[in-house]
Amino acid sequence: DAGVTQSPTHLIKTRGQQVTLRCSPKSGHDTVSWYQQALGQGPQFIFQYYEEEERQRGNFPDRFSGHQFPNYSSELNVNALLLGDSALYLCASSWRLKGRRRAYGYTFGSGTRLTVV
Amino acid sequence: AQKITQTQPGMFVQEKEAVTLDCTYDTSDPSYGLFWYKQPSSGEMIFLIYQGSYDQQNATEGRYSLNFQKARKSANLVISASQLGDSAMYFCAMREGTSGSRLTFGEGTQLTVNP
Repeated sequence: DAGVTQSPTHLIKTRGQQVTLRCSPKSGHDTVSWYQQALGQGPQFIFQYYEEEERQRGNFPDRFSGHQFPNYSSELNVNALLLGDSALYLCASSWRLKGRRRAYGYTFGSGTRLTVV
Repeated sequence: AQKITQTQPGMFVQEKEAVTLDCTYDTSDPSYGLFWYKQPSSGEMIFLIYQGSYDQQNATEGRYSLNFQKARKSANLVISASQLGDSAMYFCAMREGTSGSRLTFGEGTQLTVNP
């Protein structure tokens, strides 16, 4: 049973460029969340997607956008890259039962390490 | 306000000994969940243990146990019989409420197990 798959694993971009990161959730999971982890810090929540809509958003600018597809996979897009966007980007999938609001059981991918030069 | 506080940037332990990693949290929501994750140098967040705010007993998962003191708002991770492979970064995280699934992480503790 495949866990969370993220691609690419590493990426180098130039300041001002745009980047797209991809995430395939664990089988049976329908919710995808994205986190940014700067070097030496804990992950920070960017946003969460469920039923192809953004459900929650952290304190990140509009340069960060996302999408969820009908097969639950997700993309994170970052426009106008800044040097400060260099980080490990983690995708986490989970499940949310309809009729119940509890969400439990988060599986993380290995992340995409983005370097902006 | 910091919601998850891990006050130990680094910890050292001898192989086969037990170690406690500290975590305190802050929330006004009566329903929440507390998680511990291990992050090796490869970057993947590996789930270790979970404690719900209404759980009556402290959670245990193999060599991992969670010392949950609700009144003190602490959720310390205890690793028994440390192994060399336990050397990694450890994060405490909290999910508030029963709806939504945002996790708030602490800054982490770097654990080094010495032979």
